Amino acid sequence: SQKIEQNSEALNIQEGKTATLTCNYTNYSPAYLQWYRQDPGRGPVFLLLIRENEKEKRKERLKVTFDTTLKQSLFHITASQPADSATYLCALGGDFTGGGNKLTFGTGTQLKVEL
Amino acid sequence: DTAVSQTPKYLVTQMGNDKSIKCEQNLGHDTMYWYKQDSKKFLKIMFSYNNKELIINETVPNRFSPKSPDKAHLNLHINSLELGDSAVYFCASSSSSAKTQYFGPGTRLLVL
Repeated sequence: SQKIEQNSEALNIQEGKTATLTCNYTNYSPAYLQWYRQDPGRGPVFLLLIRENEKEKRKERLKVTFDTTLKQSLFHITASQPADSATYLCALGGDFTGGGNKLTFGTGTQLKVEL
Repeated sequence: DTAVSQTPKYLVTQMGNDKSIKCEQNLGHDTMYWYKQDSKKFLKIMFSYNNKELIINETVPNRFSPKSPDKAHLNLHINSLELGDSAVYFCASSSSSAKTQYFGPGTRLLVL
């Protein structure tokens, strides 16, 4: 069965350091992978999308890599700030016949950036 | 302007009751979704509608019945509520031409 695993434990890092979150998957061939941020009591918010034929994507302090051979994505936040503290979700997706797209979410990693 | 809104935000009810959750999006999207997030924060797709047609129907009990009166609205009716239905239910929307999903603030359902 399909399985998506993220860092199981919470990740604590110091302000200014680079946070690296992992997303590993099995029994899945996604067309693309997305990362979302979720704050307590709120819905997930889209951050980045990377397609299966792309190796790396950047947006400001965020960087995502996608290795379809290793079946792994890495999500980096450089120069991390306390405001980056949140739960980060990876989601694997593929186009769905009839429109729309189906996302399968990972378990999430809780990141805490300390002063 | 709220892009994806849900009502109510909180719902506390007794086992066996029937309840509805409503969702509206003003983004002009043609696809809407219902997700369930359990106590362990695992987010799982339940249903999806594209242009008012049901296109994704995961393994969900028949007690859950979605309804899309138009492209901007997706409602979820739950019959005979059970303790295990307690969770946060998120509505989301997207455009068929894009992959990004926009989530609502969630409805926190507690079944006593």
